[in-house]
Amino acid sequence: DGGITQSPKYLFRKEGQNVTLSCEQNLNHDAMYWYRQDPGQGLRLIYYSQIVNDFQKGDIAEGYSVSREKKESFPLTVTSAQKNPTAFYLCASSSGTGGLRETQYFGPGTRLLVL
Amino acid sequence: AQTVTQSQPEMSVQEAETVTLSCTYDTSESDYYLFWYKQPPSRQMILVIRQEAYKQQNATENRFSVNFQKAAKSFSLKISDSQLGDAAMYFCAYRTQYNQGGKLIFGQGTELSVKP
Repeated sequence: DGGITQSPKYLFRKEGQNVTLSCEQNLNHDAMYWYRQDPGQGLRLIYYSQIVNDFQKGDIAEGYSVSREKKESFPLTVTSAQKNPTAFYLCASSSGTGGLRETQYFGPGTRLLVL
Repeated sequence: AQTVTQSQPEMSVQEAETVTLSCTYDTSESDYYLFWYKQPPSRQMILVIRQEAYKQQNATENRFSVNFQKAAKSFSLKISDSQLGDAAMYFCAYRTQYNQGGKLIFGQGTELSVKP
């Protein structure tokens, strides 16, 4: 089955620790995204990538880093510089061809909690 | 910068009845795309319906339809014959047609409950 997988489902971070959230897709999509969701708020874009080895900052990139070494993978690292990392993190992908049919498909999400 | 506003944090509907969720947005662009996503308790985001701004005709997907008022910058979602499985958080989202990586701008969401 084609889709997007995220792991782990739950992640606990200690103070001062970097943690990495995994996102993998087998949809052959060029574009991938990371969003953050806080209670009572909509999703906010952290980073996005339109092609391999290239990525752009979104609206709330501070304290986060990404890499895009493979088309199917777009891991997100939450660094110790992110002072309020507790949130639900969603990864998405799309074909990257533009137009209305370029729908973003989402993974099941990772909940990050700070110990 | 574009913004999306959903002014109804919570809505409730009786099973089999019709409910309308509101969404307004602000943009200076003439062409763009609008979406409604559903997020059930599983938290998986699911596309419900989409609309291209230059098209006058309102989009329809089975029991879901939109009322797109471009001049008023309004994009409401109507759910007919509501079912228990429709209970979820609903997000309205905007996407520019220009190359900004296809990023979506989301509203704050409306939590819909369906009463049996």
